[in-house]
Amino acid sequence: GAGVSQSPSNKVTEKGKDVELRCDPISGHTALYWYRQSLGQGLEFLIYFQGNSAPDKSGLPSDRFSAERTGGSVSTLTIQRTQQEDSAVYLCASSFSQGAAYEQYFGPGTRLTVT
Amino acid sequence: GENVEQHPSTLSVQEGDSAVIKCTYSDSASNYFPWYKQELGKRPQLIIDIRSNVGEKKDQRIAVTLNKTAKHFSLHITETQPEDSAVYFCAVSSTLGRLYFGRGTQLTVWP
Repeated sequence: GAGVSQSPSNKVTEKGKDVELRCDPISGHTALYWYRQSLGQGLEFLIYFQGNSAPDKSGLPSDRFSAERTGGSVSTLTIQRTQQEDSAVYLCASSFSQGAAYEQYFGPGTRLTVT
Repeated sequence: GENVEQHPSTLSVQEGDSAVIKCTYSDSASNYFPWYKQELGKRPQLIIDIRSNVGEKKDQRIAVTLNKTAKHFSLHITETQPEDSAVYFCAVSSTLGRLYFGRGTQLTVWP
């Protein structure tokens, strides 16, 4: 079946502009995660959605970052007033999480470049 | 929150040798321990995982061992091949919780 998809695959934007990144999780997966990966670095957790529960926003680096998940499916990560340090690959992952932790399936990522 | 330490950060081995990567964690309630492999320019992919009710799991050349008392787990790759070269991430989770990732290990297998 279809895996996790993300769009766009690449995004170049000017400093100060807003950007929206989209994630389509695997159908039926209740958990959705956003991570950021800078060049040669590890996975930095940003935000986690689990079913209808309030999201875990503890990883968002500033109030310029926000995310929503509509209808328990598609998620959008919004970065306002982008800065050069926001340049990174933004990865989305989803998992089937009912009473236990399960494998996270990652999307291909969106490479964001802020000029 | 959980604190995951991963060592070493880089590892170079000769083809055919074994490679071992170790992780420690802090939350004794953690019960799920996956390992992800990320090749250059690609997305992370699960290679093996273990739950807290077992101490070891093996899948061909890859094995994971878990010591819950000491709160550490390890990835073992035997008979390494050049295609094993990648960044490997350990992770830790408790029930219904997020995954906490280690910083990654860059494994290079020299032919």
